[in-house]
Amino acid sequence: AQSVTQLDSHVSVSEGTPVLLRCNYSSSYSPSLFWYVQHPNKGLQLLLKYTSAATLVKGINGFEAEFKKSETSFHLTKPSAHMSDAAEYFCVVGGSQGNLIFGKGTKLSVKP
Amino acid sequence: GAVVSQHPSWVICKSGTSVKIECRSLDFQATTMFWYRQFPKQSLMLMATSNEGSKATYEQGVEKDKFLINHASLTLSTLTVTSAHPEDSSFYICSAPRALAGVSGANVLTFGAGSRLTVL
Repeated sequence: AQSVTQLDSHVSVSEGTPVLLRCNYSSSYSPSLFWYVQHPNKGLQLLLKYTSAATLVKGINGFEAEFKKSETSFHLTKPSAHMSDAAEYFCVVGGSQGNLIFGKGTKLSVKP
Repeated sequence: GAVVSQHPSWVICKSGTSVKIECRSLDFQATTMFWYRQFPKQSLMLMATSNEGSKATYEQGVEKDKFLINHASLTLSTLTVTSAHPEDSSFYICSAPRALAGVSGANVLTFGAGSRLTVL
């Protein structure tokens, strides 16, 4: 069975500093992994996805994530946070039955 | 921790029938619930926002009469796919915001496990 764990429920950074949102997954086979973002009062938006191609995946808005099989991790990073990055981020693993399994989410706050 | 129970996880129905999907917040009150749909090999699409005690807000292009949403109580929201057709076959998932412990005014989303609908 697949599962995903987001290690931090809330992360607060200052504008211009790096962002690290942590995610660990569990899967019995090579998984599909995603990061979604939800801004207040809006729907989910796909940031990036990993589907067994390059292990370093670049997404929109300067975000990227690295798939590390040995660590079963798929952490999301950005070199420099912007105020507009404040949102909720979800790490998601593709289930074996075509469904999506969501992590509990990480709320990112960006201080000026 | 907070849980959103979504039922059924799988449903197969004949064309022309209606299917109801339920989402319950088990240990918190949800005045709002979001309903999403995932098309094959695509990202999730927000269909509508249900609000307890008032009408749901539908996103552009989503048929209100096709996808009936009822937020009957602070812990239950339902999505009914009326007169289902094969093109309605999809993965539907709900989520509800809950207060983030220790952070005043902040909410996090809790997702149901999703419902896979197959219309024959």
